[in-house]
Amino acid sequence: AQSVTQLGSHVSVSEGALVLLRCNYSSSVPPYLFWYVQYPNQGLQLLLKYTSAATLVKGINGFEAEFKKSETSFHLTKPSAHMSDAAEYFCAVSKGSSASKIIFGSGTRLSIRP
Amino acid sequence: DTEVTQTPKHLVMGMTNKKSLKCEQHMGHRAMYWYKQKAKKPPELMFVYSYEKLSINESVPSRFSPECPNSSLLNLHLHALQPEDSALYLCASSQDSGGGYYSSYNEQFFGPGTRLTVL
Repeated sequence: AQSVTQLGSHVSVSEGALVLLRCNYSSSVPPYLFWYVQYPNQGLQLLLKYTSAATLVKGINGFEAEFKKSETSFHLTKPSAHMSDAAEYFCAVSKGSSASKIIFGSGTRLSIRP
Repeated sequence: DTEVTQTPKHLVMGMTNKKSLKCEQHMGHRAMYWYKQKAKKPPELMFVYSYEKLSINESVPSRFSPECPNSSLLNLHLHALQPEDSALYLCASSQDSGGGYYSSYNEQFFGPGTRLTVL
């Protein structure tokens, strides 16, 4: 069965600092992995997705994630945090079959200090 | 059009009321989803429709009744809800290969949600 674990329910960084949000997955088949962002009182927006085409995935808003099979990880990074990055971030995994379920991690709240 | 719309944005209802949530997409997606999200928690899947047929029901109480009248519309009918049903209800859609091998399109596109309060 697929699952994801997000380490750290809350991460706080200074504006301009590196953002690193951790996600580890468990999957018996090649996974399809996603990072979603949710701003307060809004729906979820896809930041990026891994579909086995490339291990380093670039997403929107300057975010990227690297798929590391040996570490079963898919950590999200951004070189320089901006105040507008403050939000809840969810890592998710899918088997990728038709109308398949997406399994979400518990989420990490990112705060940005001025 | 890459948008999923949901109405209403906010809904307050009593425990004896009957109301409906509406979701619409015009991206040609054939899979549509209802999620429930409590504060500070990830979304929890409730229902999945694939080609207008209910394919997944995550043991949701019968006071929630989904309906998919056509490929663009998804409704969630609410009746005799409890205060603990208060939450953000999210709709999503995705391409669906109809039982075939994975396509790169099964990312889900989410609507803004309906904030439901049950008194």
